[in-house]
Amino acid sequence: AQSVAQPEDQVNVAEGNPLTVKCTYSVSGNPYLFWYVQYPNRGLQFLLKYITGDNLVKGSYGFEAEFNKSQTSFHLKKPSALVSDSALYFCAVRPSYNTDKLIFGTGTRLQVFP
Amino acid sequence: DTGVSQDPRHKITKRGQNVTFRCDPISEHNRLYWYRQTLGQGPEFLTYFQNEAQLEKSRLLSDRFSAERPKGSFSTLEIQRTEQGDSAMYLCASSLPPRLSGGAGTGELFFGEGSRLTVL
Repeated sequence: AQSVAQPEDQVNVAEGNPLTVKCTYSVSGNPYLFWYVQYPNRGLQFLLKYITGDNLVKGSYGFEAEFNKSQTSFHLKKPSALVSDSALYFCAVRPSYNTDKLIFGTGTRLQVFP
Repeated sequence: DTGVSQDPRHKITKRGQNVTFRCDPISEHNRLYWYRQTLGQGPEFLTYFQNEAQLEKSRLLSDRFSAERPKGSFSTLEIQRTEQGDSAMYLCASSLPPRLSGGAGTGELFFGEGSRLTVL
């Protein structure tokens, strides 16, 4: 079955430290992968996407993600976390070329402590 | 504000009643999507439109759910004979078609703040 897994419900990190939010996927064919962020009382916001090309994708607010085909992973990273990065992060995959729907993971809450 | 707007933001209804949600996408976006999100879960795809055409509908979507986009602009999502299991946040999103959003693959989705449904 086509799916996305975010194995951590919550990630805690101190401000200034690097952060990683994990995502693995299961789809047939070449995946289109996305990260979205949800701040309290705000709509989901697009962070970045991987379609093809360079495995390291850079996005908004200093975030980046690394596509690893052999490990079927697309982990979100940031070299230096900010308290304002605290939010709910969702990984998503477009399961095939013939559809425009996204399959979302269950989300990971990132808490950055001062 | 020129983002995606949804109305109402919160609807409380009794089981068995019908409810309708409205979504106004970003004006130049011709694709419109409906998702549902329950507590502790990620958004779940319901359906999407390109202009007024409904291109895909989730197989999980009950016949009690219907969505329209009659003029290719705003969209409505109606739930008939609501059940307590319908309680959720209903999210609308819009996007440009991929060929106008950088080429390959799906463009980024712009989400509204959602319409929360509570069925008593």
